[in-house]
Amino acid sequence: DIQMTQSPSSVSASVGDRVIITCRASQDISSWLAWYQQKPGKAPKLLIYTASSLQSGVPSRFSGSGSGTDFTLTISSLQPEDFATYYCQQANSYPLTFGGGTKVEIK
Amino acid sequence: QVQLVESGGGVVQPGRSLRLSCAASGFTFTTYPVHWIRQAPGKGLEWVAVISRDGRTEHFADSVKGRFTISRDNSKNAVYLQMDSLRPEDTAVYFCARGMGDILPQTRFFDSWGQGTLATVSS
Repeated sequence: DIQMTQSPSSVSASVGDRVIITCRASQDISSWLAWYQQKPGKAPKLLIYTASSLQSGVPSRFSGSGSGTDFTLTISSLQPEDFATYYCQQANSYPLTFGGGTKVEIK
Repeated sequence: QVQLVESGGGVVQPGRSLRLSCAASGFTFTTYPVHWIRQAPGKGLEWVAVISRDGRTEHFADSVKGRFTISRDNSKNAVYLQMDSLRPEDTAVYFCARGMGDILPQTRFFDSWGQGTLATVSS
């Protein structure tokens, strides 16, 4: 199985800050990676797919990059509605696997 | 608009069974695979299973293989997760989610989710 490792597990940031979350796969997954945002009590929401493609309706302050084993999610200017937990997910092969999550908290 | 609604959760004793349903609307159901993903209380996301558009292909997480089955009824726009031999560690909110697009492996991304249904396994 492909293991997905996210870091950091949590980050404290202020509105307007640039936030970078990283995700590492245990083997090459090409660009088959997605990022999701989840708020408490809600279902996750797809933000980025194929590592860097922005899902329709997602603000452009979110961007993704990387390929192979190392990936990043960047929030260029953190907004109040962005405080949430973020997960990466590999789609290269079954079983599909998620990273452990990164909680973005208010500083 | 795309809508997925889960139902069937509840409290069940270890070793018993539960059947979850996922009702879909707002899109051409037969065009998309459907996944189940779960989240234990206070924990992260765990992918559980997927069924193809025509219902002929399935995949499962190792943690549920042999205990869970997945099926779909395209005439009813519904997907089902039959959970047998339940264990306390199966306690979670179960989400159904639509696989994205119709090209592999993009169908392994989840572009629409239901609100989830809680299954609790406890004596």
